[in-house]
Amino acid sequence: ETGVTQSPTHLIKTRGQQVTLRCSSQSGHNTVSWYQQALGQGPQFIFQYYREEENGRGNFPPRFSGLQFPNYSSELNVNALELDDSALYLCASSSDRASSYEQYFGPGTRLTVT
Amino acid sequence: KQEVTQIPAALSVPEGENLVLNCSFTDSAIYNLQWFRQDPGKGLTSLLLIQSSQREQTSGRLNASLDKSSGRSTLYIAASQPGDSATYLCAVQDQTGANNLFFGTGTRLTVIP
Repeated sequence: ETGVTQSPTHLIKTRGQQVTLRCSSQSGHNTVSWYQQALGQGPQFIFQYYREEENGRGNFPPRFSGLQFPNYSSELNVNALELDDSALYLCASSSDRASSYEQYFGPGTRLTVT
Repeated sequence: KQEVTQIPAALSVPEGENLVLNCSFTDSAIYNLQWFRQDPGKGLTSLLLIQSSQREQTSGRLNASLDKSSGRSTLYIAASQPGDSATYLCAVQDQTGANNLFFGTGTRLTVIP
């Protein structure tokens, strides 16, 4: 069974640029959630995708957007990057068929905006 | 809105000591509570998950308890080792909306050899 994977591992972008982060969900999981973790903080929920539709969103502006594909993998897109977007971005997958609703996390993508 | 608080923010103990990390949350309508470990610059490692109907879970030297009615959880680490040094995060899975996780800001643990 393959766990959650994310790419790239690290990324450096310039303010104003756009970035795309990728996540492959664990086998059998149909739901993907994205979280942003700033330095010294706990992760904060960005949004969730279920069956290729956004299924809930945290307090993040519209320049944070996402996609989920038929194989349940997902992308997080951030437009007009700001310095405060520098963070660890975590992806988590889960299954709506599991009773525990447990989310399984990937290793994260470290984004640095200069 | 769910808020999760972890106390203390940092803790330093000598090797071999038993310790307790605390987590509190404001809304008891949760599916589960999860404790994670995070090493510097790394992702999250799940340690224990307690379903809302359960009172505690154990894994090796770790024991987590949950008192949903009072909005509290503790993580007990027995016979601490230098390898336990990390940040420990508590998260509750909300029953509303997307069933997303709400995290505390973590307790940074240092175990001194």
